[in-house]
Amino acid sequence: QSALTQPASVSGSPGQSITIFCTGTSSDVGGYNYVSWYQQHPDKAPKLMIYDVSNRPSGVSNRFSGSKSGNTASLTISGLQAEDEADYYCSSFTSTSTVVFGGGTKVTVL
Amino acid sequence: EVQLVDSGGGLIQPGGSLRLSCEASGFSVSDNYMSWVRQAPGKGLEWVSLIFGAGDTYYADSVKGRFTISRDISKNSVYLHIDDLTADDTAVYYCARQQSSGWALNYFDFWGRGTPVTVSS
Repeated sequence: QSALTQPASVSGSPGQSITIFCTGTSSDVGGYNYVSWYQQHPDKAPKLMIYDVSNRPSGVSNRFSGSKSGNTASLTISGLQAEDEADYYCSSFTSTSTVVFGGGTKVTVL
Repeated sequence: EVQLVDSGGGLIQPGGSLRLSCEASGFSVSDNYMSWVRQAPGKGLEWVSLIFGAGDTYYADSVKGRFTISRDISKNSVYLHIDDLTADDTAVYYCARQQSSGWALNYFDFWGRGTPVTVSS
């Protein structure tokens, strides 16, 4: 199963909104509403930010939102803050009954 | 409070074996899907293995035959045994609780801090 495709990097100024795209196929992202997003700061464990395409776990800021169109999922961070600078990974259930991750996107706050 | 403490990593020679441990608290591993996810230096996340239900197991194709996942319900712990280690196995290994949606594997809601494995002579 090939990794989902994410841009290597995305940047924005404080207060701006940015969107990270995660492209898969009809066998993963496009076929199921089981897309999740994770935030990872350097040398830290990943943290769940979005599940089931657009749901936020308790305690995650409402500045984070998710959506999906066809084979592409997206994570939007609005009101960008310095603490949002991190790596972000998408993940999806696949038709082979496994889970696949994206390659990761480094978010830089300018 | 849900907590996962993974351990057992270290410096191992190529061809060696290793057992990683993950001790859970705040929930029962026997009632949950438990996975291992690894991250090679400077690389992305890679799902490796899963144990759930009555002890059913799944493995990524890249590790089948060399990795064995198991659990000890009395110790509320999950383990990952790795044989015939190669440099490609060098990574931080995370234990994670995974949610399911019916028959479908879904998101990872809690993660351990990770235990680093370095394979080198």
